[in-house]
This record gives sequence, C-alpha cells and structure tokens, in this order.
Amino acid sequence: ELKVEQNPLFLSMQEGKNYTIYCNYSTTSDRLYWYRQDPGKSLESLFVLLSNGAVKQEGRLMASLDTKARLSTLHITAAVHDLSATYFCAVGGAGTASKLTFGTGTRLQVTL
Amino acid sequence: EAGVAQSPRYKIIEKRQSVAFWCNPISGHATLYWYQQILGQGPKLLIQFQNNGVVDDSQLPKDRFSAERLKGVDSTLKIQPAKLEDSAVYLCASSLIGGVPYEQYFGPGTRLTVT
Repeated sequence: ELKVEQNPLFLSMQEGKNYTIYCNYSTTSDRLYWYRQDPGKSLESLFVLLSNGAVKQEGRLMASLDTKARLSTLHITAAVHDLSATYFCAVGGAGTASKLTFGTGTRLQVTL
Repeated sequence: EAGVAQSPRYKIIEKRQSVAFWCNPISGHATLYWYQQILGQGPKLLIQFQNNGVVDDSQLPKDRFSAERLKGVDSTLKIQPAKLEDSAVYLCASSLIGGVPYEQYFGPGTRLTVT
C-alpha cells in the first residue's frame, strides 16, 4: 500500500524567510503533484512533476522530484502572507488515470 | 471551460438519515473520482469511474456508501444510513484518459455534517 508522508505538519514562518516542505512516499511512482488548499476551499493544482530530477517554479514556490529517493520538496522563498494555506503532495499510481494518494498536508502560516 | 460542479455545497443531517451528492465533471473527462476529506487530513479516494464503469472502489464502505455514473457523465454518491464519522468534505474530481500530465481537476466539494 502506497504511503505518503509530509513534514512538517504545521509550519509558522515570518515573512521574508525561506523554508522547505518534504514529501516522502513508499513505493515507486513517476507522478507527483502539489496542491494548495485555502480554508473552506477546494484543491488548487500547483505543480505536476513527471520525471526524476524535475524542477518547476512559480513565483516564490519551487518544487522538485527525486524518484530514486522517493522524495519531493516544495521550497518557499521569501514567504509572504498570501502563501498561508495548507499544501498537499499527492502521488499517482500506475496507469494513466489512476487514483492519487495524498499526504497529510502541511499547514503553512506566514506571519508579518 | 466550466470546471467540476458539485451540489449541494453544504448539508447537515442527523445520524441514520440518508444523503446524496451530485457531481458533473468537466466536459469530455472520462474519469471521475470521489474523495472523502476529513478535517485535518488529506483527501482519500472512495471510488473511481472510467466512463460508467468502476475502476477502484476498494476504500468505499459498501455497507453504507454507494455511487453510480449511469450515462458516463454526471455521478451521484449516496450515504445510507449516515454515521457521525461520515462528517467530512466530499470532493469530486475528473480527468482525461491519457494525455500528460494526467491531471485531476477538483470541484468545490460538499461539506457534510452528521449530528
């Protein structure tokens, strides 16, 4: 059974600081997704990583994938308050339209 | 392009009552998913349809949950009878078959409170 773990579960950081969220998964996969969820809202897709060594950046967020280590990271650069949300990683199973297994989520709070 | 539609957005029922949720996926998306998200947790897949066939329902509590997608388009998820632990947000998602990056698009969800 595929297990996906994120850490930390909760992250409080000051504006302007950098930090990294880690996502570890237990079985081989070549599809890794990052989602953002604001309170009371649905999931917003941030990044899709499809190969070993993939790196994608959007604004202050950068995601990377190491399939050999079964590890993805979401790096936050110079955090701003608008980034406060819960971030989930999700791992795709075999097949082109298979289910996603989500991590536990990291609740990010950026303080002034 | 219209997104995934769900209704109702909120529902409050008493335990042992029944409830149904509706989902309309993005046009042309053959694969439809229902996820359960309990407060403070990540979404968990309940059932996956491809067209109107079930692909995966291994985590669906079949003694009380049922789902159908009769014409391969919209879908309903039913709970009968509801338990307190069914309080959660029920998310519907859809995706194309094939086509990188096999991305799933989520609807706004239905928040269910069982009292």
